[in-house]
Amino acid sequence: QLQVVQSGAEVKKPGASVKVSCKTSGYSFHTFWLHWVRQAPGQGLEWLGRINPNSGDSDYAQNFQGRVTLTRDTSISTAYMELSGLRSDDTAVYYCVRVAKGYFYFDLWGQGTLVTVSS
Amino acid sequence: QSALTQPPSASGSPGQSVTISCTGTSSDVGGYDYVSWYQQHPGKAPKVIIYDVSKRPSGVPDRFSGSKSGNTASLTVSGLQAEDEADYYCYSYAANNNRVFGTGTKVTVL
Repeated sequence: QLQVVQSGAEVKKPGASVKVSCKTSGYSFHTFWLHWVRQAPGQGLEWLGRINPNSGDSDYAQNFQGRVTLTRDTSISTAYMELSGLRSDDTAVYYCVRVAKGYFYFDLWGQGTLVTVSS
Repeated sequence: QSALTQPPSASGSPGQSVTISCTGTSSDVGGYDYVSWYQQHPGKAPKVIIYDVSKRPSGVPDRFSGSKSGNTASLTVSGLQAEDEADYYCYSYAANNNRVFGTGTKVTVL
């Protein structure tokens, strides 16, 4: 069964870092790029970046360069998104999403992880 | 990379059609045929309904259709049904390996 299961909700203080995990199953982890997308409460979707699970190569949205790091552990078919220097406007649901092979659209979404930044 | 521009809202009665625009630039929407559209119901993850400008994944009703002209892509929902009430987002590949979402449109079925 195709699945992308993310870690649970987090509450962090301003200036801290958060690391969200994304465990995949039901398909070959190496074969599909994984992207991260976030959605602030009541707001739209925002692209953060992507990682090639096979090579570990990653690209980041300009707005998040230097603050977000994407990694993966192929032994457990899991990807990670770490965001540092948290601010209150980083409060959002963070999604891990799979890209359809050979295409540019998202075909499989994680359930989302709510990250709340509050003092 | 600026967000693609969508109207904040659109509405129609059951059975009518509604069209949502998604305006970008020649560096994203206009430069590539990699526009996709996502439907999001409250509290749920988005779901793809159109990819590569006008293709529908299996299982998506043919009431949903997509097109593009210049720097503007469009999503049309024909024969509106109550379950079509949701938020809709466009998404495009952009130059220098970037990606960009639209600002989102809330569709209301009157």
